[in-house]
Amino acid sequence: QVQLQQWGAGLLKPSETLSLTCAVYGGSFSDYSWTWIRQPPRKGLEWIGEINHSGNTDYNPSLKSRITISVDTSKNQFSLKLTSVTAADTAVYYCARKQWLVKKLDFWGQGTLVTVSS
Amino acid sequence: DIQMTQSPSSVSASVGDTVIITCRASQGISSWLAWYQQKPGKAPNVLIYDASRLQSGVPSRFSGSRSGTDFTLIISSLQPEDFATYYCQQTNSFPYTFGQGTKLEIK
Repeated sequence: QVQLQQWGAGLLKPSETLSLTCAVYGGSFSDYSWTWIRQPPRKGLEWIGEINHSGNTDYNPSLKSRITISVDTSKNQFSLKLTSVTAADTAVYYCARKQWLVKKLDFWGQGTLVTVSS
Repeated sequence: DIQMTQSPSSVSASVGDTVIITCRASQGISSWLAWYQQKPGKAPNVLIYDASRLQSGVPSRFSGSRSGTDFTLIISSLQPEDFATYYCQQTNSFPYTFGQGTKLEIK
């Protein structure tokens, strides 16, 4: 059974760096792409970016200058860093697995609420 | 970016009803569209992918279709557990984009 377990700091001050990690248990790590998505309170979903096991990334242009997604294949983990956060980055952040061929997000982490407040 | 226009934003229905939710893409996305269900405080779950393929384990009362750049999610014979928020997502090109969501409420 595939499980994604994520963690990271939940309270940040403006200008700090958001850092989240997602660990993958079960299944093959190298056969999928790994995605980050966020959801501001009471709002819809926003795709942040994704990475494959080789480290190839695609980012949302709206965040590209501030984000880095990285992968550690030795630990079956991938991470998100978002610099210079503001209140607008307050959201629940999800990690998810994407299948290459059919491009569906079929397994998700539990979500991490990140609040940016001074 | 490809814009996904989802409608309605909310709908009220009763158990046993049929509900139709639509998503329109701002440009062609072939059949690269998935539908997700999200319940409060939970991560989304995939229902439909490739516009019309039912995810394993999802009840057959959920179905999806495509006509050009218009996509439809149909929920037949609504059950109490179906009251949730539904999102479409295009995966034709980066950045992948979601519709605004449809909140399905009990009438």
